[in-house]
Amino acid sequence: GESVGLHLPTLSVQEGDNSIINCAYSNSASDYFIWYKQESGKGPQFIIDIRSNMDKRQGQRVTVLLNKTVKHLSLQIAATQPGDSAVYFCAEAPPGGTALIFGKGTTLSVSS
Amino acid sequence: EPEVTQTPSHQVTQMGQEVILRCVPISNHLYFYWYRQILGQKVEFLVSFYNNEISEKSEIFDDQFSVERPDGSNFTLKIRSTKLEDSAMYFCASSAPGGGTGELFFGEGSRLTVL
Repeated sequence: GESVGLHLPTLSVQEGDNSIINCAYSNSASDYFIWYKQESGKGPQFIIDIRSNMDKRQGQRVTVLLNKTVKHLSLQIAATQPGDSAVYFCAEAPPGGTALIFGKGTTLSVSS
Repeated sequence: EPEVTQTPSHQVTQMGQEVILRCVPISNHLYFYWYRQILGQKVEFLVSFYNNEISEKSEIFDDQFSVERPDGSNFTLKIRSTKLEDSAMYFCASSAPGGGTGELFFGEGSRLTVL
């Protein structure tokens, strides 16, 4: 289940601000984590992933942080743009399986 | 850029009717998946498929559901007798040869409305 207080269903930011989206995952044995972006009417789109042997991974304007101690994942978006407006989901991959377990989404709204 | 394509984009059906949702995964991918998303909720895993058989399925994927890869390109989800609660967006996904749970590429979804 989700950790109380970590997940925000909505996040509103100004263009140019940095955004941080948080997620709590449920299975301490999960070894692979992914952030997806879902725009209205579309399927989830891969943003960035991280394996459990890492605690940070950077992409272009995005950074994922993994804290296995508290089962917490975060997505940082630098210099947020209106095109970043979407619902963001974290997903975890329990070991030995093929299913991704998605968390609750956070709707990011970016105003110019 | 290769993509996963799904048809139909929207299907409206009566309760009790059979529905088939179709997907064309990315051509060199070997793992195929169906997920669903009830409006406003999170994405839920239904089933994964590899080497012409189901690898894993969730509790949602009961006897009313089946999957098939009838030829070298299509991957279908059949719901035998639809219920109102089957109304959702159904997403097909595929992943590359290296990964069962590697990067998943999702299609744009098929919206199913059961009346």
